[in-house]
Amino acid sequence: GNSVTQMEGPVTLSEEAFLTINCTYTATGYPSLFWYVQYPGEGLQLLLKATKADDKGSNKGFEATYRKETTSFHLEKGSVQVSDSAVYFCALGAGGTSYGKLTFGQGTILTVHP
Amino acid sequence: EAQVTQNPRYLITVTGKKLTVTCSQNMNHEYMSWYRQDPGLGLRQIYYSMNVEVTDKGDVPEGYKVSRKEKRNFPLILESPSPNQTSLYFCASSLYGTGGETQYFGPGTRLLVL
Repeated sequence: GNSVTQMEGPVTLSEEAFLTINCTYTATGYPSLFWYVQYPGEGLQLLLKATKADDKGSNKGFEATYRKETTSFHLEKGSVQVSDSAVYFCALGAGGTSYGKLTFGQGTILTVHP
Repeated sequence: EAQVTQNPRYLITVTGKKLTVTCSQNMNHEYMSWYRQDPGLGLRQIYYSMNVEVTDKGDVPEGYKVSRKEKRNFPLILESPSPNQTSLYFCASSLYGTGGETQYFGPGTRLLVL
């Protein structure tokens, strides 16, 4: 079946540091890939997505590129802020008979210190 | 404002006492689903609905029921809750339930079963 693996966390950074959160996936066919963010006490919200190989999703300074050859969708940001502290989830949407189901990674807690 | 709402946000109950968590969306979405979030496991889908009166099991449906009598509402029912259903629950919706669509999540319901 489909699966998503995220790097082990939590991740603690100083403000303005470079961020990478690794995400790899296993799926048949051509899934869509997502990063969702969960701020404290809130639900998940879409951060960015890519629906086909080599697409780059970007939003709020975050980027991720859909790499089919390495089955990866790593999240990056050049300079993090305290307000980026949250839980980040990589997810896969396979479509087809899975319909709208998202398969999530385990989540990575990011804490950014001033 | 486009949103998914859930009630209650927090709930403490005892084993065996039936409860219902409500979910409502105002975006005229056809697809709705329920997830539970547990530490280290990410989010896992419980049930989903493609439209009114069309529901099906997700990955972890045991102990849960759902109904979809109106397009906007998708309640989650625990007829005899047990402690292993203590979790954080999220309702989500999307327009048609295809793999590449953005899912919109509610704020979550934190359930403790004693």
